[in-house]
Amino acid sequence: DAKTTQPPSMDCAEGRAANLPCNHSTISGNEYVYWYRQIHSQGPQYIIHGLKNNETNEMASLIITEDRKSSTLILPHATLRDTAVYYCIVDSGAGSYQLTFGKGTKLSVIP
Amino acid sequence: SQTIHQWPATLVQPVGSPLSLECTVEGTSNPNLYWYRQAAGRGLQLLFYSVGIGQISSEVPQNLSASRPQDRQFILSSKKLLLSDSGFYLCAWSVGGGAGGYTFGSGTRLTVV
Repeated sequence: DAKTTQPPSMDCAEGRAANLPCNHSTISGNEYVYWYRQIHSQGPQYIIHGLKNNETNEMASLIITEDRKSSTLILPHATLRDTAVYYCIVDSGAGSYQLTFGKGTKLSVIP
Repeated sequence: SQTIHQWPATLVQPVGSPLSLECTVEGTSNPNLYWYRQAAGRGLQLLFYSVGIGQISSEVPQNLSASRPQDRQFILSSKKLLLSDSGFYLCAWSVGGGAGGYTFGSGTRLTVV
């Protein structure tokens, strides 16, 4: 049973911001939102995570709606190397030994 | 710093042959270890995880097995490969539970012919 819903694919022009949405309407109060990405033929890479507040690191920003039912990952200046499948994951972060990946969003950054 | 090594990068094996993929972690102690598989055009599927030496949990019944002979070594095996075992196999580690601290290896692309 999928906890998150993401569009299957998106395009973004190089140098522009890429905004990747994720719906998680059944998220519980103790569950975090995590984002990973997988560049072709590589292992997934952790990007960012958050609970309630917006978060920013050197890779991306995470905007979580006030009701926490959806979130957006923002890559502020997309480059060709950001072309990848982006996974949004909801997890409690406590005692969970399973990282469940959905199908993610295939982001294509176009020159 | 922590690193994860996974080999080989690619492997072509005939149907019915055995399989052994190895994964080792450096720079951490008592990690949780995981084997995932990604079939062509599909998502990642958790196969096995281990919270300690000799402790293996299987998530999907299949033709594969896993072992953890040492704290930082995780091995994926099969006695007889099937065509359906083809895929991209990924080893990962984390400290404690939760989704934020997973580090994945570079993967092994297995083709069973």
